[in-house]
Amino acid sequence: DIQMTQSPSFLSASVGDRVTINCKASQNINRYLNWYQQKLGEAPKLLIYNANSLQTGIPSRFSGSGSGTDFTLTISSLQPEDVATYFCLQHNSWLTFGSGTKLEIK
Amino acid sequence: EVQLVESGGGLVQPGRSLKLSCLASGFTFSNYGMNWIRQAPGKGLEWVASISSSSSYIYYADTVKGRFTISRDNAKNTLYLQMTSLRSEDTALYYCARSRTVAPDYWGQGVMVTVSS
Repeated sequence: DIQMTQSPSFLSASVGDRVTINCKASQNINRYLNWYQQKLGEAPKLLIYNANSLQTGIPSRFSGSGSGTDFTLTISSLQPEDVATYFCLQHNSWLTFGSGTKLEIK
Repeated sequence: EVQLVESGGGLVQPGRSLKLSCLASGFTFSNYGMNWIRQAPGKGLEWVASISSSSSYIYYADTVKGRFTISRDNAKNTLYLQMTSLRSEDTALYYCARSRTVAPDYWGQGVMVTVSS
């Protein structure tokens, strides 16, 4: 089974900051990596699919990069509405999730 | 607008059964594969089961294989999860999610299942 190691678990940043969240796969997953945002009490929302493709309707401050085993979600300028938990998902072999990153505003 | 609304959760004793439903709207349900994904309290997300658009392909996580059955009724725009021989470790928030190719794109808000005596 493919394991996903996500870091950091918790992140506190200021409005306007550039924020990065990482996921590392235990083996090569090509670009089969999605990023999701989950706000408190809401359903998860797809942000990025296949490592770097922006889902329709998602602000352009969100971007994804990486391939193989190492992936990054970047928020170029943090906004108050970005407070949420973010998690990655690999879909190269079945589906396995990262453990999540809780993002707060400093 | 894509909407997925889960129902059927609740408190159930170990060893008993429960059936979850997920009513879909806002898209052509019969064109999409669907998934059940769960999150135990304080734990990460775990994929449970997937079903293709016409029910031709069905897959389960090893943790539920032989106990859970995923199914769908395309005429009713509804996805199901029949859960039997429930264990305390099945306690979780269960999400229904639509597949974009393989991985989920739209998710429901989830329904809680608590297995306890």
